[in-house]
Amino acid sequence: EPEVTQTPSHQVTQMGQEVILRCVPISNHLYFYWYRQILGQKVEFLVSFYNNEISEKSEIFDDQFSVERPDGSNFTLKIRSTKLEDSAMYFCASSYPAYEQYFGPGTRLTVT
Amino acid sequence: GESVGLHLPTLSVQEGDNSIINCAYSNSASDYFIWYKQESGKGPQFIIDIRSNMDKRQGQRVTVLLNKTVKHLSLQIAATQPGDSAVYFCAGSYSGAGSYQLTFGKGTKLSVIP
Repeated sequence: EPEVTQTPSHQVTQMGQEVILRCVPISNHLYFYWYRQILGQKVEFLVSFYNNEISEKSEIFDDQFSVERPDGSNFTLKIRSTKLEDSAMYFCASSYPAYEQYFGPGTRLTVT
Repeated sequence: GESVGLHLPTLSVQEGDNSIINCAYSNSASDYFIWYKQESGKGPQFIIDIRSNMDKRQGQRVTVLLNKTVKHLSLQIAATQPGDSAVYFCAGSYSGAGSYQLTFGKGTKLSVIP
């Protein structure tokens, strides 16, 4: 069964450093998403991406965040200068069509 | 904005019994809902979805009921098994403005007693 994959599973970084979280969506999907889940809290939407551009973003997704689809398979989330409060689980999701979003296993980001 | 929340944070059920997990939403324009299951250390796993033009949808051992009048939906799991132990989230979206972002509730932890 096709699934969304994410790497790395755990990323530790120092405050102020840049991180790139990687995702490989399901191959025939057209819509891509990033969500995050701070420990003990609910999953929060960050951004959606379709047709090589951001279609929607939340207030969390400020100028420190960016997304890219560098090739036909990867979808990345970059945080330019990490803050302590960026520590969370980051989930990538994809869908085709725009409903039925399937999530990856997540990357645990720890900012020290 | 929309908020989607859950009535109960925890639910303990005897193996073999039926489970009912409830969820309320605030945005009456929400037109699509999904139930996800999240096991420890894993991402949300799609269980079942329902569109607002339906009141009920059934899957394998699961049923989702949608009551638009009171903005409430529920997930029913028949013959609950130990493998059903997880946190269950409801999520909703409103596609009217071309938006497909999901708004999640906090989650209900289901514990199945063998």
